[in-house]
Amino acid sequence: SAVISQKPSRDICQRGTSLTIQCQVDSQVTMMFWYRQQPGQSLTLIATANQGSEATYESGFVIDKFPISRPNLTFSTLTVSNMSPEDSSIYLCSVVFGATELFFGEGSRLTVL
Amino acid sequence: QQQVKQSPQSLIVQKGGISIINCAYENTAFDYFPWYQQFPGKGPALLIAIRPDVSEKKEGRFTISFNKSAKQFSLHIMDSQPGDSATYFCAGVHDYKLSFGAGTTVTVRA
Repeated sequence: SAVISQKPSRDICQRGTSLTIQCQVDSQVTMMFWYRQQPGQSLTLIATANQGSEATYESGFVIDKFPISRPNLTFSTLTVSNMSPEDSSIYLCSVVFGATELFFGEGSRLTVL
Repeated sequence: QQQVKQSPQSLIVQKGGISIINCAYENTAFDYFPWYQQFPGKGPALLIAIRPDVSEKKEGRFTISFNKSAKQFSLHIMDSQPGDSATYFCAGVHDYKLSFGAGTTVTVRA
């Protein structure tokens, strides 16, 4: 399986600010995704991070709020913009490794005050 | 609308017992069904997975049973251990995108 590193592992932010989360994979992967896990909840797909093109967002998520970059096959960033307390969640990077197996990073726990 | 329904929300089992978690799905486009185990403060870890053309898959103490006609699948944890205490998520996959169940918190009492 791939080793997936996320930074920061946790952060406390003020309302109205933005935070960029990084995801680094130790090998090249074609498919990379960003998920959100709200407190005590399940995981929800935010978007597919496409290498060299704009991310593909799921219903309910928009680029202005969650801009994503994917400059190469091992790295992606997710920015949470103009944060509110409702954005307090764990944000997780996921990659496809092998034929169909999907693996997750340890997540970035964000608290917005 | 949640595409994968998972039950129970939580369960308590004695050490050595069997934990059973059930999931049902609606989307027949799903072509892969993984289970993830998540400990507090950690990301979900892939536990075991099955394709819809297989009725059962066993890996160690973990078994998936799959009923394609009923659109249901379940996870059995045999000989449950305190280290198995975690939250378990089932999921359906289509186009590499995961649709998760709500999760089941399993507590194994020593």
